[in-house]
Amino acid sequence: GAGVSQSPSNKVTEKGKDVELRCDPISGHTALYWYRQSLGQGLEFLIYFQGNSAPDKSGLPSDRFSAERTGGSVSTLTIQRTQQEDSAVYLCASSLTVNSNQPQHFGDGTRLSIL
Amino acid sequence: SQQGEEDPQALSIQEGENATMNCSYKTSINNLQWYRQNSGRGLVHLILIRSNEREKHSGRLRVTLDTSKKSSSLLITASRAADTASYFCATDGFNNNDMRFGAGTRLTVKP
Repeated sequence: GAGVSQSPSNKVTEKGKDVELRCDPISGHTALYWYRQSLGQGLEFLIYFQGNSAPDKSGLPSDRFSAERTGGSVSTLTIQRTQQEDSAVYLCASSLTVNSNQPQHFGDGTRLSIL
Repeated sequence: SQQGEEDPQALSIQEGENATMNCSYKTSINNLQWYRQNSGRGLVHLILIRSNEREKHSGRLRVTLDTSKKSSSLLITASRAADTASYFCATDGFNNNDMRFGAGTRLTVKP
């Protein structure tokens, strides 16, 4: 597609349920990033992929969070046993390569609300 | 952890005035980027400045970089109501393979 696509755009779920968030990057972009943004706050880096590999998983808040990317394209971020503090907007971005001289292109995010 | 910190946290000006936002960072960088975020949307890349550059222009945007002070500024000239948004700076991560974002400056331009 023309831009980064994220789904769902909104997700409301009960505490304790698992959720899966999807990101479809710009075609040809090998780098993919996940961020979390709490209300009115900056971006918290979660994880990035170069191709299908995630060299650094230290940004994931807990072992309830996991992410994968297959085929060098679509990525899913999974949160298991959701807690209320997981409520936030989850943003995905992609860039041509993993390099700080490359601009990142963002989706509009998934707004996650845990009841 | 965040690398850049924006200042001020919030800025309110009248249409036509200039808006200046600052970004400070802690460790040496190779590149610094500025982004804009409208409410409820993702971030949009505005401009990239490399560590060997001191100033860049793009339309009504002017970015400066002072590596000795570890700071950057974003100037928006002749602001418009449509410039109302949050503005973020981003710098290299510690391993130089990704970017870290600051908390942002919320700019309000009153018509």
